[in-house]
Amino acid sequence: QSVLTQPPSVSGAPGQRVTISCTGSSSNIGSGYGVHWYQQLPGTAPKLLIYINSNRPSGVPDRFSGSKSGTSASLAISGLQAEDEADYYCQSYDSSLSGSTVFGGGTKLTVL
Amino acid sequence: EVQLVESGGGLVQPGGSLRLSCAASGFTFSSYSMNWVRQAPGKGLEWVSNISSSSSTIYYADSVEGRFTVSRDNAKNSLYLQMNSLRAEDTAVYYCAREGITGRYYMDVWGKGTTVTVSS
Repeated sequence: QSVLTQPPSVSGAPGQRVTISCTGSSSNIGSGYGVHWYQQLPGTAPKLLIYINSNRPSGVPDRFSGSKSGTSASLAISGLQAEDEADYYCQSYDSSLSGSTVFGGGTKLTVL
Repeated sequence: EVQLVESGGGLVQPGGSLRLSCAASGFTFSSYSMNWVRQAPGKGLEWVSNISSSSSTIYYADSVEGRFTVSRDNAKNSLYLQMNSLRAEDTAVYYCAREGITGRYYMDVWGKGTTVTVSS
């Protein structure tokens, strides 16, 4: 059971927009700690997609966007492409666990 | 090019030990906090440990506290993870990852990982 809760799977057709939710609590997302998102393509290492709620590293397309409200955060992917099919993880910090970075359980995105 | 390369993984028996290394290049290693993150087969990401740039602050996940020890050698641009008393549930790909900004906790550079298998 992950500290941050994500849906196990989402899907969408090419060109559509999908969102992935990440639900936490008052000791992590709700305490003001930033939420970060990673994309993991099959057989590869995770890649930083969004940092501190809504910032994109250079090279990440603006089709990817992040938001945060209260104890939850969301990753939105617009103009879905086949190459977006991957696992997506949210991450934050939890003040109830000493020094603990926490990840969501991951969401498998299928492009139909 | 900013790069992290892990090594040292392999097959080890339950109760055994293994030392992982992570070689950093392309950036000022001594300025960044570093992390170890693992991923069991078919499972999600699990944070393992964090070490500050000067090694003054170290944290571990409860699942490895007392068995794993993280260290770094800034002169050699290297990060290490000493793993003792290994269990079957420690089987995973182990990634080293750079913390983008100290205290903000996100990981902006990842290695490709090294595989640890604990089995008799």
